[in-house]
Amino acid sequence: QIQLVQSGPELKKPGESVKISCKASGYTFTDYAMHWVKQAPGKGLKWMGWINTYTGKPTYADDFKGRFVFSLEASASTANLQISNLKNEDTATYFCASPLYAHAGWFAYWGQGTLVTVSS
Amino acid sequence: IQMTQSPSLLSASVGDRVTLSCKAGQNINNYLAWYQQKLGEAPKLLIYNANSLQTGIPSRFSGSGSGTDYTLTISSLQPEDVATYFCQQYNSWWTFGGGTKLELK
Repeated sequence: QIQLVQSGPELKKPGESVKISCKASGYTFTDYAMHWVKQAPGKGLKWMGWINTYTGKPTYADDFKGRFVFSLEASASTANLQISNLKNEDTATYFCASPLYAHAGWFAYWGQGTLVTVSS
Repeated sequence: IQMTQSPSLLSASVGDRVTLSCKAGQNINNYLAWYQQKLGEAPKLLIYNANSLQTGIPSRFSGSGSGTDYTLTISSLQPEDVATYFCQQYNSWWTFGGGTKLELK
């Protein structure tokens, strides 16, 4: 069955970096885009951007340009999100999500989320 | 594109017909999805293209609307529907509404 499985929770200090992974299974990884979504504690959902899993080209929403990097390990069907120079406001659950449907804008499949806590 | 959901909190009884609203800052051409998120879980897709029911979602959920105004309706509220509901537009990039928290009265 189709699954997106994310890496476990992280506790980091301000200024450190973190890398979150999202491993896909049950479908051809390079056929569909992978999006990233942020949810701060008790808050709503914020779209961070997406990566073309065929070409590896990332696209970032305006608020996520600079410290955020999307990457792939296509041979391992894995998408990664790296955040550098962590700030307290980066404390959130981060989700990967994919439409798994050609040219679709909706997100039919989601990872379980990875909680990143930034605290000194 | 800004997405505004109302109300932010809704209390209803089991069996009630419930209506949640989502308003876009400009015409989004029915490129709208609805998600349900229960506490501690990932969002789940309910509706896409404004009115298409995702496979496996109960038929008590329905979506309607056009232009800038969209609605998610639950025809008969069940206890398991307690959750926060988000709308999302994908007409121009992607943005989510702020959510409506649905609780039992």
